[in-house]
Amino acid sequence: EPEVTQTPSHQVTQMGQEVILRCVPISNHLYFYWYRQILGQKVEFLVSFYNNEISEKSEIFDDQFSVERPDGSNFTLKIRSTKLEDSAMYFCASRRAGNEQFFGPGTRLTVL
Amino acid sequence: AQSVTQLGSHVSVSEGALVLLRCNYSSSVPPYLFWYVQYPNQGLQLLLKYTTGATLVKGINGFEAEFKKSETSFHLTKPSAHMSDAAEYFCAVSANFGNEKLTFGTGTRLTIIP
Repeated sequence: EPEVTQTPSHQVTQMGQEVILRCVPISNHLYFYWYRQILGQKVEFLVSFYNNEISEKSEIFDDQFSVERPDGSNFTLKIRSTKLEDSAMYFCASRRAGNEQFFGPGTRLTVL
Repeated sequence: AQSVTQLGSHVSVSEGALVLLRCNYSSSVPPYLFWYVQYPNQGLQLLLKYTTGATLVKGINGFEAEFKKSETSFHLTKPSAHMSDAAEYFCAVSANFGNEKLTFGTGTRLTIIP
């Protein structure tokens, strides 16, 4: 059964460094999402992406965040200058038109 | 705008007992409601969903949920708990099926007592 994959599973970085989190959505899906979950808190929406552009973004998704679909398979989330409060589990999700979102296993980001 | 409240961050039930996980929602438009389950070190897996039609929806692993508009609730139940049900459960709402972002509750960790 097709599934969303994410790499790496765990990323440790120093404050101020750039990180890129990678996702491979299910191949025939057209809508892509990033969510995050700070430890002990709820899963929060970051951004949605369709047709090579951002459809919606939350107030969390400020100028230090960006998303890209560099080729036909990958969907990336870049954080330009990480802060301590960016430490969280980041989930990628994808869907076809009219269907539910399928989630990846997540990347745990730790900012030191 | 949508929001979800899950009552009880931790729920413990004995194996074979009824599982009841509570979810209340707030939505300015007709909601679409979801329950996701997360097993340790895994992603979020859809258990069941309500979009339109029948208010009692059945999902995987013997779980079901009932949409009650008058109570703005979407509680998750399973008649008989199994050890493999131990996981974190998230209720979520969106404004339109799949077209909008999901708004999640804070989750409920279910522990099964042997």
